[in-house]
Amino acid sequence: DAGVIQSPRHEVTEMGQEVTLRCKPISGHDYLFWYRQTMMRGLELLIYFNNNVPIDDSGMPEDRFSAKMPNASFSTLKIQPSEPRDSAVYFCASSLGGLGNTIYFGEGSWLTVV
Amino acid sequence: ELKVEQNPLFLSMQEGKNYTIYCNYSTTSDRLYWYRQDPGKSLESLFVLLSNGAVKQEGRLMASLDTKARLSTLHITAAVHDLSATYFCAGQGGAQKLVFGQGTRLTINP
Repeated sequence: DAGVIQSPRHEVTEMGQEVTLRCKPISGHDYLFWYRQTMMRGLELLIYFNNNVPIDDSGMPEDRFSAKMPNASFSTLKIQPSEPRDSAVYFCASSLGGLGNTIYFGEGSWLTVV
Repeated sequence: ELKVEQNPLFLSMQEGKNYTIYCNYSTTSDRLYWYRQDPGKSLESLFVLLSNGAVKQEGRLMASLDTKARLSTLHITAAVHDLSATYFCAGQGGAQKLVFGQGTRLTINP
């Protein structure tokens, strides 16, 4: 059974460019999470969806960040315009039933903004 | 706001030895989660502890939760090299929000 699939795995982009990260959750899962990992701040929740609806986006750092989930099998996290401080690993995760059950993380998208 | 602290942050140990990683959290969290992360890899769920007194074991790893003390422990028995990784604990900081500790980088030497 395929796990959470993220793309791209690695991206290097120039400051000011738009970045789109993609996620395919595990089939049947009703929760989808976007986390960011940096050396300075560790792992932080950015936003989560339940049944494709954004529930809590309070972790999104600023208006340059946006996330969508147009259907149960696809989500995007977009940064426009990107800045060097956005350099991080972005993880997508999914779960059936949310916390209290296992949260499965993808392999992550390693973003470098130069 | 929930804060989660782990100690130690770095741990180097010999194969065959036992050790414990501690995870303290600042406010009520009825659930506690442990994850493993290998360098450059994803996070792998190890344990989900759902209530006070919960104890779970998988191979050489055992996790426990004391909600009254706001403490969870991850105990490693007779460590082997394959257990070298970074271990994270996380509390539940909101309805669906995991709040992670800083991570404990564990190195097991032959």
